[in-house]
Amino acid sequence: KQEVTQIPAALSVPEGENLVLNCSFTDSAIYNLQWFRQDPGKGLTSLLLIQSSQREQTSGRLNASLDKSSGRSTLYIAASQPGDSATYLCAYSGAGSYQLTFGKGTKLSVIP
Amino acid sequence: ETGVTQSPTHLIKTRGQQVTLRCSSQSGHNTVSWYQQALGQGPQFIFQYYREEENGRGNFPPRFSGLQFPNYSSELNVNALELDDSALYLCASSLSTEQFFGPGTRLTVL
Repeated sequence: KQEVTQIPAALSVPEGENLVLNCSFTDSAIYNLQWFRQDPGKGLTSLLLIQSSQREQTSGRLNASLDKSSGRSTLYIAASQPGDSATYLCAYSGAGSYQLTFGKGTKLSVIP
Repeated sequence: ETGVTQSPTHLIKTRGQQVTLRCSSQSGHNTVSWYQQALGQGPQFIFQYYREEENGRGNFPPRFSGLQFPNYSSELNVNALELDDSALYLCASSLSTEQFFGPGTRLTVL
């Protein structure tokens, strides 16, 4: 069974701090990896998509990296803000499939 | 451009009943996927539809079924509801690899 692990499960940081969220996966033949944000009781907002041929993607204060050989991805958030408080989920799709396999997420709290 | 929409927002049913959830995909997207998210868990893949045909299914029993219509909107039907079916049901649409999610339908089974 292919799995996705996200560490830590929860993280609390003061406003302005830079932080890194971690995602590891067991499937070496991933097609792409996607990071999402989820606010309580809401749907998922796509943050970044990294194709298997890419090593990183950037959007504003967010930077996501992908290392297929080690089965790891990281999401870097610069200069965190209280509005960044949410659960962050990573998910990958395998080659030949659009099915996403998700981790359980990291719940981030940014304290003003 | 309209994003992915789902209806209803919330739903309360009793054990044994049947439910239909609806999803309108983002304009131009021909693929719809459904996911179940239990409290505190990541979403679990139920199935995917591509151009009105089922195109992959996760580890869910046959009482979970779906449809996709010519306009690419979709329905998720669940028969013989069980207490464990209580969850947030998410629909995602895509044209290529990136999936875009709707706000979800919160189903409570009593």
